[in-house]
Amino acid sequence: QQQVKQSPQSLIVQKGGISIINCAYENTAFDYFPWYQQFPGKGPALLIAIRPDVSEKKEGRFTISFNKSAKQFSLHIMDSQPGDSATYFCAAGFGNQFYFGTGTSLTVIP
Amino acid sequence: EAQVTQNPRYLITVTGKKLTVTCSQNMNHEYMSWYRQDPGLGLRQIYYSMNVEVTDKGDVPEGYKVSRKEKRNFPLILESPSPNQTSLYFCASHKGGNYGYTFGSGTRLTVV
Repeated sequence: QQQVKQSPQSLIVQKGGISIINCAYENTAFDYFPWYQQFPGKGPALLIAIRPDVSEKKEGRFTISFNKSAKQFSLHIMDSQPGDSATYFCAAGFGNQFYFGTGTSLTVIP
Repeated sequence: EAQVTQNPRYLITVTGKKLTVTCSQNMNHEYMSWYRQDPGLGLRQIYYSMNVEVTDKGDVPEGYKVSRKEKRNFPLILESPSPNQTSLYFCASHKGGNYGYTFGSGTRLTVV
C-alpha cells in the first residue's frame, strides 16, 4: 500500500510560471512532511519541510501548503526557472520512518 | 564538508556473489537509513538504524542485511544478490527529531 501518493508524474512549465505538485497521505500519525529535490546523478536534497501544526511554509520561491483535514500537502514553485528542472519527491513520516512519493519530473522551458 | 559518502558509485556483479556497499557520515548523526530507488516506485526504505547496534527493517528488507558497529558507518550487505536487486541505492542520515535526511550520492547496482 502506497503510504504517500504523489501527482503528477511529470510536469512541464514555462519559465516564470507556477509549478504545483500534490501529495496525499494516509497515516494521521505522520508529523513531518519534507520535500526533496533530485538532480540527475545526485542524491535527493532536502528542499523545504513542514510540520502539521502549520498550514503553510514559505522559503524563497518555494511554498508548502498543508491541509491536515484532507491529509494533503503540496509544493508550489513560484517564478519557475530552468534551473528548477529536477525530480521532486514528497515524503511523510515520523521518527526514523519516512515514506516517499513516487516523484515528479519537472521541466521548466526557457 | 558535512556529507554522506557511499562506495562504490557503480557496481556490476553476478547473481549470488556477496557484496557490500559502504556508507559513512561525518555529521555525528544518530539515525541512518538505506533506500532503493526504482522508476515509478520512488524511494523505498530497506533498513534503518537509530543508534549503534540498533537496526530495524524498513519496507523492503528481503535479501539485505545491515550492521551498525560504529556511529558513522552503516554498510549494506547483499549476501546472495539477485537480478531483482538491480537498483539505485541511497544511504541517508539525520540527527533525529523532525529533521530531514542528508543523502549520499547513490550506488547504482546491476546484478546479472
